[in-house]
Parts: sequence; C-alpha cells; structure tokens
Amino acid sequence: GAGVSQSPSNKVTEKGKDVELRCDPISGHTALYWYRQSLGQGLEFLIYFQGNSAPDKSGLPSDRFSAERTGGSVSTLTIQRTQQEDSAVYLCASSLGWGASSSYEQYFGPGTRLTVT
Amino acid sequence: KNQVEQSPQSLIILEGKNCTLQCNYTVSPFSNLRWYKQDTGRGPVSLTIMTFSENTKSNGRYTATLDADTKQSSLHITASQLSDSASYICVVSASAGGTSYGKLTFGQGTILTVHP
Repeated sequence: GAGVSQSPSNKVTEKGKDVELRCDPISGHTALYWYRQSLGQGLEFLIYFQGNSAPDKSGLPSDRFSAERTGGSVSTLTIQRTQQEDSAVYLCASSLGWGASSSYEQYFGPGTRLTVT
Repeated sequence: KNQVEQSPQSLIILEGKNCTLQCNYTVSPFSNLRWYKQDTGRGPVSLTIMTFSENTKSNGRYTATLDADTKQSSLHITASQLSDSASYICVVSASAGGTSYGKLTFGQGTILTVHP
C-alpha cells in the first residue's frame, strides 16, 4: 500500500505567519509521530498520537506549536507566528502501535521543508 | 539524559571500498537499536533493528553489530556503491520502566559520500 505522505513538500513563509503541515499515515497505523530535523542536527521528537489516547506533547518546543489528528488518521501540525528558528524539515512517521518493540517499526514520510524568511 | 553519538560526522570513500560507522549511546533501559538510511530529501528508511540479545545483523551489504556491555554499535558497509551516499542514522529505543518508554533517541547521523 501507499507509504506515509506529507504536504506540502516545501513551504516558504514570512516571519510571523501561521503554517499548517499535513501528514497522511499508512492506513491501519494507530501511532503517528512528528519530528523536526534542523540542518546538521539529529531528528527531534515533537509529538506523538496513539489511537484515542491523549497525545504526548512533551517534545513541542513552544506553545506556538500544536498538532491534531482527526478521525485517528490524518494529522496537521500547526506553527503559529513562525520564527526563523522554526526553519527545518518536519518529518511525520507512523507505526502499527506504540512501544519499544521492534514490531512497531516507524515508517517515515518524505518531510516538509519549512523556510521562514 | 539519553544520548546517541555517532562518528565520524562525515566520510568520503571510493566506490567499491568498505567502511564502518560508529554509534555510542547512553539510553537506558535499552530496548533496541536501529540503523536508518536517509537519502537527501527523503525520510529515513530502516536498515536493521537489533535487540539486547543480538550481536550482529545483516541486510545485504550492510552489517550492524551491537555490544550492549559497552553500549556501542557499528554499521559496516561492504563493497560500497554510489547509491550508498546518504546519511546513516543510529536510533536507540528505551524499554518499559523508563520515562522514555518507546521513544526513539536519534543520533546526528554520519554523512557518507561514495565517489566513483
């Protein structure tokens, strides 16, 4: 089946504007993750959704960042009042479940490259 | 603090040569370690996953080793090809009982460039 898809692939926005990034996980995957990858840095965990449970928002860097997952499928990451330091590649991943088991392999989307000017 | 450190940061080799990438981690309690390959402009793709009891695992020309005692892993690439040019990321997962249960800790990656 189709893999994880993300849109847009690239987004250029002016400082102070709001942006929305979209993630379509693999069908049937109950867990969905957002990561941020800044230039020269490792992936940084942002937020994770598992089924109907409350999301783990512990990685969100500020209250300007929020995410929702509608109907247990598509997710939107929203960044309000964007700042230049928000420029990064935002990666979404999904998995069959949540946990440390190797069965819960995370499959990544191609990412959205966000540039804040 | 859970950390994953990789070396070298970047590596250039000639096509056909072998190379070894290193990963040291402090994630505890340890559950599993994964190596991902990330091509430019793409999301990471899993190469190998190893649990505590596994010392080595191969995937084609990629062979990963794990020493859980010293908390070190390596990824060996044999007979490199131009298509091996990518970032290789070491990722460690904590097991149940820890505050980071299930969360992945990512290394910064090693950028490998294979020249003809």
